[in-house]
Amino acid sequence: EPEVTQTPSHQVTQMGQEVILRCVPISNHLYFYWYRQILGQKVEFLVSFYNNEISEKSEIFDDQFSVERPDGSNFTLKIRSTKLEDSAMYFCASSEDSSRPYEQYFGPGTRLTVT
Amino acid sequence: GENVEQHPSTLSVQEGDSAVIKCTYSDSASNYFPWYKQELGKRPQLIIDIRSNVGEKKDQRIAVTLNKTAKHFSLHITETQPEDSAVYFCAAPTDSWGKFQFGAGTQVVVTP
Repeated sequence: EPEVTQTPSHQVTQMGQEVILRCVPISNHLYFYWYRQILGQKVEFLVSFYNNEISEKSEIFDDQFSVERPDGSNFTLKIRSTKLEDSAMYFCASSEDSSRPYEQYFGPGTRLTVT
Repeated sequence: GENVEQHPSTLSVQEGDSAVIKCTYSDSASNYFPWYKQELGKRPQLIIDIRSNVGEKKDQRIAVTLNKTAKHFSLHITETQPEDSAVYFCAAPTDSWGKFQFGAGTQVVVTP
């Protein structure tokens, strides 16, 4: 069964550095999402992406964040200047098409640690 | 925007008993309600969902019920097994498709 994949599984970076988290959504899916989960807390929506543009973003997704689909398979989340509070698990998700946009399937996550 | 409340935060059950988790939502326009299971250190997995045109949906030992009038939906797990131990999250969409508001999660512990 196809799955969303993410790399790296764990990223350690220093405060102020840029990080890029990578995701490969399920191949026939058209809608892509990033979520984050601070340790022990609930999953929080960051951004949704469709047709090469952002559809929706949360208040968490400020100017430090950006997303891109650089080719036909990858979907990336960039954090320009990381802060300690960006430490969290970041999940990518994808869903199939306009008739089923809500059925989101999550990747295994990237644990980001900012020191 | 949508506000989702989930109860209880922890639930301890004996193997074989039933577990029920309840979520309430605020946006009456919401029309899709998924439940995710997250085992320690793993991804949230979609286990069941319900759309607003039905009141109940079952899949083996798992069921979800929806009360649109009261704006709540519940996850029911029957004949619980140790492998059901996990954190369960409910979610509801905001007025924009694809943007979910998640509940705070319920830690379910099934003791043999």
